Amino acid sequence: AQSVAQPEDQVNVAEGNPLTVKCTYSVSGNPYLFWYVQYPNRGLQFLLKYITGDNLVKGSYGFEAEFNKSQTSFHLKKPSALVSDSALYFCAVRDRGSARQLTFGSGTQLTVLP
Amino acid sequence: DGGITQSPKYLFRKEGQNVTLSCEQNLNHDAMYWYRQDPGQGLRLIYYSQIVNDFQKGDIAEGYSVSREKKESFPLTVTSAQKNPTAFYLCASSPSSLEGLDQPQHFGDGTRLSIL
Repeated sequence: AQSVAQPEDQVNVAEGNPLTVKCTYSVSGNPYLFWYVQYPNRGLQFLLKYITGDNLVKGSYGFEAEFNKSQTSFHLKKPSALVSDSALYFCAVRDRGSARQLTFGSGTQLTVLP
Repeated sequence: DGGITQSPKYLFRKEGQNVTLSCEQNLNHDAMYWYRQDPGQGLRLIYYSQIVNDFQKGDIAEGYSVSREKKESFPLTVTSAQKNPTAFYLCASSPSSLEGLDQPQHFGDGTRLSIL
């Protein structure tokens, strides 16, 4: 079985401050992990993924995520938030050893305050 | 530019009516997916297709049907058996469902379905 949890429905941060959006996962084997962003009335856009190798993954628009196997986490981070980063963020997981399709978290609404 | 086109953007369904949502991709992807998005619930998989003329049920297939007669197209029909169809429907594609497990999915801009 595979699952993913985003414990915060809403995250507010001031512009210029660092931001973190949390994600924890559960898989039987090793995970493929993804972050997506969604703007209102739009589809999801891919931000970054963890497959293997370096635990710190860099992605689009200055976002990065850190894979932590012992804590089964894959938190999304950005050093300095922009108002334009305000959107809905989804974490997703896929167990490498399974035929199951991608499982998405429930999403975290990020609001960056000017 | 390559991408996924969903139509219509907004759709209204009357009681007892079937409606079909269109999804077309020109990315030459083998795999295509349909998701339903409800507020606070993330995305739930309805159906997916790994190759032409083949498709599999996802987690919430009841009340929905699909076809995959062409590689580029994966229409979703919301039948009258789906009693709560109001949602945002997203179509996605990826190079391969099995071989490209590490490849991200590409999404269309969705269809918002409401009941009249």
